[in-house]
Amino acid sequence: ETGVTQTPRHLVMGMTNKKSLKCEQHLGHNAMYWYKQSAKKPLELMFVYSLEERVENNSVPSRFSPECPNSSHLFLHLHTLQPEDSALYLCASSQYYSSYNEQFFGPGTRLTVL
Amino acid sequence: KNEVEQSPQNLTAQEGEFITINCSYSVGISALHWLQQHPGGGIVSLFMLSSGKKKHGRLIATINIQEKHSSLHITASHPRDSAVYICAGPFKSGGGADGLTFGKGTHLIIQP
Repeated sequence: ETGVTQTPRHLVMGMTNKKSLKCEQHLGHNAMYWYKQSAKKPLELMFVYSLEERVENNSVPSRFSPECPNSSHLFLHLHTLQPEDSALYLCASSQYYSSYNEQFFGPGTRLTVL
Repeated sequence: KNEVEQSPQNLTAQEGEFITINCSYSVGISALHWLQQHPGGGIVSLFMLSSGKKKHGRLIATINIQEKHSSLHITASHPRDSAVYICAGPFKSGGGADGLTFGKGTHLIIQP
């Protein structure tokens, strides 16, 4: 048990749907991350929140909208996605936003966009 | 331009063999991470190291900051070690960001 949970674990949605991915960490960490892992590609950092403020946004399309209401919860709101957005979406947390800090990952949400 | 290169991309070995996975990178970094991803997708952090060597059970990680190279070794490999091993670090040039960039991973299969 990593202490980072994600729901749902699997999601199938049409291009016109709106859905949200949820991440929760029970580790008392101050930084939370969204990553995307497409087939045959390395993990890509999408967003970073540190102390509930967004500190990094890696040129992610606006159809992905993150929200961090408090230090324990992170959401990724999805709307009008494209089939190429189908991927594994991973949430992670770390004590602080620093490359010296170990990151703890959730199990991921496997997203399929039809 | 790839900031980080892992080798080999795929490795199949027999149970008990000594395994070495390499990670080379092009920009100076302060810390490097080794991660393990199992077929279901879950990722576990194995090591974070900024110099020298770390050991945890049958896993050993080394880093040479000057040569910009790190290795992950598995001694007495076992089928349960079958996974994708990923190195990651703040490899992005331009400085400032502490977000991690990930290698493509080494897909390891240990056969009984």
